[in-house]
Amino acid sequence: DTGVSQNPRHKITKRGQNVTFRCDPISEHNRLYWYRQTLGQGPEFLTYFQNEAQLEKSRLLSDRFSAERPKGSFSTLEIQRTEQGDSAMYLCASSPIWGSGTDTQYFGPGTRLTVL
Amino acid sequence: QKEVEQNSGPLSVPEGAIASLNCTYSDRVSQSFFWYRQYSGKSPELIMSIYSNGDKEDGRFTAQLNKASQYVSLLIRDSQPSDSATYLCSVKVVGNQFYFGTGTSLTVIP
Repeated sequence: DTGVSQNPRHKITKRGQNVTFRCDPISEHNRLYWYRQTLGQGPEFLTYFQNEAQLEKSRLLSDRFSAERPKGSFSTLEIQRTEQGDSAMYLCASSPIWGSGTDTQYFGPGTRLTVL
Repeated sequence: QKEVEQNSGPLSVPEGAIASLNCTYSDRVSQSFFWYRQYSGKSPELIMSIYSNGDKEDGRFTAQLNKASQYVSLLIRDSQPSDSATYLCSVKVVGNQFYFGTGTSLTVIP
């Protein structure tokens, strides 16, 4: 069990560019979540997968954001035409769906995005 | 109204004292409640989860839940400087969505 990993850890991009982040959850975890966190705020829910199915998506999520989990393992989050307001820490978390602790989310280290 | 509200602090307590952190939530159907600790520049880590009314103790930490008042709290006994962090309250709502408060910044003074 190596924990949740995210890549890259840091990304600096210019406004208008597209960026893609990757999350590798804990191997036996079926649920995967994406959050965005800005300074002084708690994590804000973006979207949630169970296996490869995207089951929930925040109504606040712009259509510039898209997430995939094609084989029910790793997930990618893409932001198209980035804006300065997209600058934040993007967190991924995973949790199991069986056994105890199904609500326990394990967070990755995050990807810090800076849009210039 | 935000789904989860916390006093942002900062809260300062001397080493060895009890730190009390509070959280209220707005969704009456919420069933699961969590406290996370987040050190500066790091990701959240789970401290406690609580599902039923009353107290739940784990070492120096005690979570308290009152569903009628829509209130959940975290007590940290014998506070240590290493407890200095931001504490996030989280609530699970229908559909497996989790809402987080803005966090309370705690400083334990040696």
